[in-house]
Amino acid sequence: DQQVKQNSPSLSVQEGRISILNCDYTNSMFDYFLWYKKYPAEGPTFLISISSIKDKNEDGRFTVFLNKSAKHLSLHIVPSQPGDSAVYFCAASPYGNKLVFGAGTILRVKS
Amino acid sequence: DTAVSQTPKYLVTQMGNDKSIKCEQNLGHDTMYWYKQDSKKFLKIMFSYNNKELIINETVPNRFSPKSPDKAHLNLHINSLELGDSAVYFCASSGGRSDYGYTFGSGTRLTVV
Repeated sequence: DQQVKQNSPSLSVQEGRISILNCDYTNSMFDYFLWYKKYPAEGPTFLISISSIKDKNEDGRFTVFLNKSAKHLSLHIVPSQPGDSAVYFCAASPYGNKLVFGAGTILRVKS
Repeated sequence: DTAVSQTPKYLVTQMGNDKSIKCEQNLGHDTMYWYKQDSKKFLKIMFSYNNKELIINETVPNRFSPKSPDKAHLNLHINSLELGDSAVYFCASSGGRSDYGYTFGSGTRLTVV
């Protein structure tokens, strides 16, 4: 039962353009959403998060949007840089409890 | 100065063996976790400890036994290893609130042959 779904296994974007990574969830109990970035042979690193009381959170080049009615969130990276090439995991948490992760999306930024 | 460190990074072993993976965090976090990343790349929680107390125990075979001697350490012991146990195991820690995010170790790639 996949409560957090990242339906795009991979995404390729030109340097300087916008990268949009999508995530859908099914559990209405989720109240906090996070994005993690993972390089090969390393652990995931926290990137940005958003509470369910907000619909947008911005941190530099990274913006996360939350659409609660659609149970959908997205991560926007503008402008995309080659160093952004990594696996991006969407994660969600019900009331401060355990994080539930999606399967990840491989982002490749071409220079 | 590594925040969450796991050892070993790679582990190749035969079926039926018993092995342990160690995890230590120097962040002063109260909560530690073990996650398993399987062949389909999903990161699935296995266990969570808060101040040495088990708080999350997902549906994991009882061949897997976590041990937390203190809140800075959470080790994972696996008995009678099976081929299906091959995966990358990640240790993580958190301050206890979701908005703090988790800090992950670099993972232990376990291969059972």
